[in-house]
Amino acid sequence: GNSVTQMEGPVTLSEEAFLTINCTYTATGYPSLFWYVQYPGEGLQLLLKATKADDKGSNKGFEATYRKETTSFHLEKGSVQVSDSAVYFCALIKNGWASYDKVIFGPGTSLSVIP
Amino acid sequence: EAGVTQFPSHSVIEKGQTVTLRCDPISGHDNLYWYRRVMGKEIKFLLHFVKESKQDESGMPNNRFLAERTGGTYSTLKVQPAELEDSGVYFCASSQDLRVNEQFFGPGTRLTVL
Repeated sequence: GNSVTQMEGPVTLSEEAFLTINCTYTATGYPSLFWYVQYPGEGLQLLLKATKADDKGSNKGFEATYRKETTSFHLEKGSVQVSDSAVYFCALIKNGWASYDKVIFGPGTSLSVIP
Repeated sequence: EAGVTQFPSHSVIEKGQTVTLRCDPISGHDNLYWYRRVMGKEIKFLLHFVKESKQDESGMPNNRFLAERTGGTYSTLKVQPAELEDSGVYFCASSQDLRVNEQFFGPGTRLTVL
């Protein structure tokens, strides 16, 4: 079936450190891929997305590249800030072009950035 | 423009009681979804409305859960009777364009069943 796997947390980094959160997926066809973020006390927000192979999604200094050959969508940021502390969810929609489909989420990775 | 709103933000009930969660989607969004995250695990799909019709309810765990969307605006999710394993965070999302299907999520309702 369709699924998303991401690295276990929690992850603790010092401010200005480099961040990588690994995400791999299993899906038939050509899914669209997403990273969602949930800041403390807030709802889920779309951080970035990519809809086809080799696309790079970027937002707020975060980047992720859709790698079909490795079925991966790793999230990276060059210099994290305390305000980036949140839970990050990798997700996919297995059929992004046709009619509706549900979002399939990974388990989430909790990130804490310390000053 | 207001985002997706959910009420209440937190509910604590005892096993066997009934709880009703409400979701107000973004105005004009025909598609409304319910998801939940149980015990810190992955967020899982529950069901999808298109206007007032249930398009897909394959994720509903059992018949103790009842979702409605009368009039195609806000939606309610009732749990009756609640069990301990129903504890978790219930998210609502809405979307406008199925081709893109970017879903906008609400803040969630944290349900605790004691």
